[in-house]
Amino acid sequence: EVQLLESGGTLVQPGGSLRLSCAASGFTFSNYAMSWVRQAPGKGLGWVAAISGAGLSTYYADSVKGRFTISRDNSKNTLYLQMNSLRAEDMAVYYCAKGPILYYFDLWGRGTLVTVSS
Amino acid sequence: EIVLTQSPGTLSLSPGERATLSCRPSQNIRSSYLAWYQQKPGQAPRLLIYDTSSRATGIPDRFSGSGSGTDFTLTISRLEPEDFAVYYCQQYGTSPLTFGGGTKVEIK
Repeated sequence: EVQLLESGGTLVQPGGSLRLSCAASGFTFSNYAMSWVRQAPGKGLGWVAAISGAGLSTYYADSVKGRFTISRDNSKNTLYLQMNSLRAEDMAVYYCAKGPILYYFDLWGRGTLVTVSS
Repeated sequence: EIVLTQSPGTLSLSPGERATLSCRPSQNIRSSYLAWYQQKPGQAPRLLIYDTSSRATGIPDRFSGSGSGTDFTLTISRLEPEDFAVYYCQQYGTSPLTFGGGTKVEIK
């Protein structure tokens, strides 16, 4: 079955760090660009970051540039998001999503909740 | 960045009725690079339409997309009970990728 499964979301204090993971299965992971998209509680969707299939190219929303790092380990079929200097406005459900680089998203995970609060 | 304005915010309709959802970008979208997603409570979004009018795999033909420039539409020809959800548009013609604020289709 083709699926994405996120993990790593938890409660973290403002200024803290967290690493999210997304395990992919059912498709050739290294052939596809991947992204992170977030959704604040009760709000709409916001693109966060993207990475090419080989991991050589990365792209970020201005709101997270310099604080978040997207990466992947194709040998483990896993996508990561390292989040540093977390702010209250980063609180959201984080989805990993598959799709052509900087295009649409044709497969989404179920999401993992990041709560930023003291 | 391109701002996508979706209207109406909420659409109250009965099963079997036709739903027309609007998405208006703040500027022209390159090459009609617009997608639509459906999201149900507690679930991840699901891709319905890409490239303005191409249905994603497994999407029933009651869903259709149209438009160009600064005026795009998602039409659900006859609402089924499982279609009541929130719908988002997303543009990928210009970085950064952006999403609309969503339209909730609720049962009247």
